[in-house]
Amino acid sequence: DAMVIQNPRYQVTQFGKPVTLSCSQTLNHNVMYWYQQKSSQAPKLLFHYYDKDFNNEADTPDNFQSRRPNTSFCFLDIRSPGLGDAAMYLCATSRGTGGENIQYFGAGTRLSVL
Amino acid sequence: RKEVEQDPGPFNVPEGATVAFNCTYSNSASQSFFWYRQDCRKEPKLLMSVYSSGNEDGRFTAQLNRASQYISLLIRDSKLSDSATYLCVVNVYNTDKLIFGTGTRLQVFP
Repeated sequence: DAMVIQNPRYQVTQFGKPVTLSCSQTLNHNVMYWYQQKSSQAPKLLFHYYDKDFNNEADTPDNFQSRRPNTSFCFLDIRSPGLGDAAMYLCATSRGTGGENIQYFGAGTRLSVL
Repeated sequence: RKEVEQDPGPFNVPEGATVAFNCTYSNSASQSFFWYRQDCRKEPKLLMSVYSSGNEDGRFTAQLNRASQYISLLIRDSKLSDSATYLCVVNVYNTDKLIFGTGTRLQVFP
């Protein structure tokens, strides 16, 4: 059974139309991450939460926001998607208690911007 | 210099071949190292962690050389199902974050 679940798997939005991607986990992990991955590139970390503490990456555009209302759920909001935001968005979780930090990924949401 | 560097490939090998991938990382303080596998248009999945003593899981062997800041993955007796991109991953010292290499693509042909 999937332990990190992302919905939807495919999302089509229009240029400038806000969109929300969701992620849930059954692992009870402390840390949840959002990555953006474009074709033939490495996953790029956008931000992560350790519990309720939000950690933004310095180069993440303001257009990207996140919410974590509880341990299980985390959302990625793209306020005004541009054509350059078309990508695969990956959610991951980890225990985050130090030591080996294995991250477990959801299947991703592939975003298209028209 | 990139924090994690890999040869992008592709490596095209016949079934049954042995293939090796290399990776270098820039931060000597990194503590955790992994190889993830990513199939086309799918999510990354952990293949194996990498330890200083070297570790083996079936046909896969991973090695870490801290002095040279170098990680390797050896795949023996390649199968068609091994075709994928292999991501070298290193933790960011004293954080919960990981840095991913751009991956090495492997194509195994019959």
